Amino acid sequence: DAGITQSPRHKVTETGTPVTLRCHQTENHRYMYWYRQDPGHGLRLIHYSYGVKDTDKGEVSDGYSVSRSKTEDFLLTLESATSSQTSVYFCAISEVYPGQGRGRTEAFFGQGTRLTVV
Amino acid sequence: RKEVEQDPGPFNVPEGATVAFNCTYSNSASQSFFWYRQDCRKEPKLLMSVYSSGNEDGRFTAQLNRASQYISLLIRDSKLSDSATYLCVVISNFGNEKLTFGTGTRLTIIP
Repeated sequence: DAGITQSPRHKVTETGTPVTLRCHQTENHRYMYWYRQDPGHGLRLIHYSYGVKDTDKGEVSDGYSVSRSKTEDFLLTLESATSSQTSVYFCAISEVYPGQGRGRTEAFFGQGTRLTVV
Repeated sequence: RKEVEQDPGPFNVPEGATVAFNCTYSNSASQSFFWYRQDCRKEPKLLMSVYSSGNEDGRFTAQLNRASQYISLLIRDSKLSDSATYLCVVISNFGNEKLTFGTGTRLTIIP
């Protein structure tokens, strides 16, 4: 299994409080992603990173910010949590090896963080 | 229009039957395509990549149609263990490796 861990795995927080989720990898992969998964919506991309300090928005980035100060960690912050952010959050990692015959790796996922905002 | 669209199902199929899923994508510059499988309350895991020439892995066959911008997954001789949600994935933004998922298609194999 790929070395990717998410913390915490479960969290209950109150509306209006800040929350930070952590994704940690030991694979030295360049690309990291944060998704949320809700019934009827599948996996929706929040933010992703293509290198240290290089990030971009996904389709549902409002209310979320990210930081990647080192290769192994990608943090997702909810500045002021709302009930609509109750969801399961998944982190993923991937890599590309152009010109080396290995192509693109699959995206490996963490086990998810179940966040409830009350 | 969503970047990647799938029929959400559910598909309820008798054991041994053949079932097919389609997934359409809107960005004609999309680079790579995959099918992932997700079991209930678990993380998604790669099922197979989708190549331009089509590819097969046992009972599973994946096809890509660039002209019509869709990918397909065919499962033959379905097993009870195939019950899961199947997600198509499209990579765009060459260099930035943006992975976009479809909403997933839920499959239940009935004994």
